[in-house]
Amino acid sequence: AQSVTQPDIHITVSEGASLELRCNYSYGATPYLFWYVQSPGQGLQLLLKYFSGDTLVQGIKGFEAEFKRSQSSFNLRKPSVHWSDAAEYFCAVAITGNTPLVFGKGTRLSVIA
Amino acid sequence: DTGVSQDPRHKITKRGQNVTFRCDPISEHNRLYWYRQTLGQGPEFLTYFQNEAQLEKSRLLSDRFSAERPKGSFSTLEIQRTEQGDSAMYLCASRQGVGTEAFFGQGTRLTVV
Repeated sequence: AQSVTQPDIHITVSEGASLELRCNYSYGATPYLFWYVQSPGQGLQLLLKYFSGDTLVQGIKGFEAEFKRSQSSFNLRKPSVHWSDAAEYFCAVAITGNTPLVFGKGTRLSVIA
Repeated sequence: DTGVSQDPRHKITKRGQNVTFRCDPISEHNRLYWYRQTLGQGPEFLTYFQNEAQLEKSRLLSDRFSAERPKGSFSTLEIQRTEQGDSAMYLCASRQGVGTEAFFGQGTRLTVV
């Protein structure tokens, strides 16, 4: 069965600094890959997804992610963090574009002035 | 259409009572998913419908849990004889087709006392 590891439980960055959130997956083939963001008391919002093609994916809110097959990774990046980016970030995988998502445990992002 | 709607947003119940949650997906979406999220964890898959057919159930879905999606529209998730371990956020998501984005509702937070 596929699994997702987000090694960092909590990350604190200064506003304006760059950000990278790590995600590693365990699956024999290349799964469908997703990053979601969850603000307190809110549902999950899709930031970006990778199905195939260009391994650098652009998403909403200035986020991007890079798929690296050799490292089974799909790390999320943002060049300059805003205070409004403080939230919980979840990486997720699916075997196909239709099957249920398997989520990591999430990384909580705090942004300081 | 304003997105996936879940009702109620919060539910406090005594141990042993039955509870039922409702999810109204985006109207043209034929796939509907239920997830459970506990504190500090990512969402965990519970069950999945395509139209009115329940296609997959997680081992997390004990016999006290039942889900329906009559007529392939809204869905209900019922928990019988609630236990304190059932306290969690229950999330509903819907999508239209293969490879499309899954949209999440804001969730129902259940507290069993």
